[in-house]
Amino acid sequence: GAVVSQHPSWVICKSGTSVKIECRSLDFQATTMFWYRQFPKQSLMLMATSNEGSKATYEQGVEKDKFLINHASLTLSTLTVTSAHPEDSSFYICSARDPPGTANSPLHFGNGTRLTVT
Amino acid sequence: AQSVAQPEDQVNVAEGNPLTVKCTYSVSGNPYLFWYVQYPNRGLQFLLKYITGDNLVKGSYGFEAEFNKSQTSFHLKKPSALVSDSALYFCAVRPLTGGGNKLTFGTGTQLKVEL
Repeated sequence: GAVVSQHPSWVICKSGTSVKIECRSLDFQATTMFWYRQFPKQSLMLMATSNEGSKATYEQGVEKDKFLINHASLTLSTLTVTSAHPEDSSFYICSARDPPGTANSPLHFGNGTRLTVT
Repeated sequence: AQSVAQPEDQVNVAEGNPLTVKCTYSVSGNPYLFWYVQYPNRGLQFLLKYITGDNLVKGSYGFEAEFNKSQTSFHLKKPSALVSDSALYFCAVRPLTGGGNKLTFGTGTQLKVEL
């Protein structure tokens, strides 16, 4: 089955630094990837849709300059949390649909990245 | 706008007993409906989906869900629960047409299966 690999699984960084999270589709091509944020005991909040070769589409209220998304290839999307602050601490999860572009195909999720900003 | 309601934050059930995790949805037109399971500090795993056709959908690990259009519900069920089923379960919906790629998730239901 489709596998989405996310790295790192956890990261601790100091306030003011930037952190990059990678999301890879291992056995399929993903023209679109989705980045979610999950707060403790809460649902997933869609942050942005990453589009290969073009700009990401951000959800309302998500700062584009804060959460930089790059989708440089059909198998890799990255999320960079810039100038991280403690309130950015969260669980970030990426996902992709296989086959891509098919509305009824399920999302496949990475294992998530636990970000802690001190 | 589409939405999903999972009215129970937690469901407790004894191993071997049937379990039900409730989900109701609101969407314009016909829905795509999904159930996902999440284990601690992990991403979500797909369990099953409803697109069209038979209202009873069977999925992974013995789970099934019943689509009820009149009640706008998609409850997750399993005839005999296992301790290993203990996890966080999410219901999700997107419209059949329109709505872009956005999948809307419920707030999740923590399932606890005890011996």
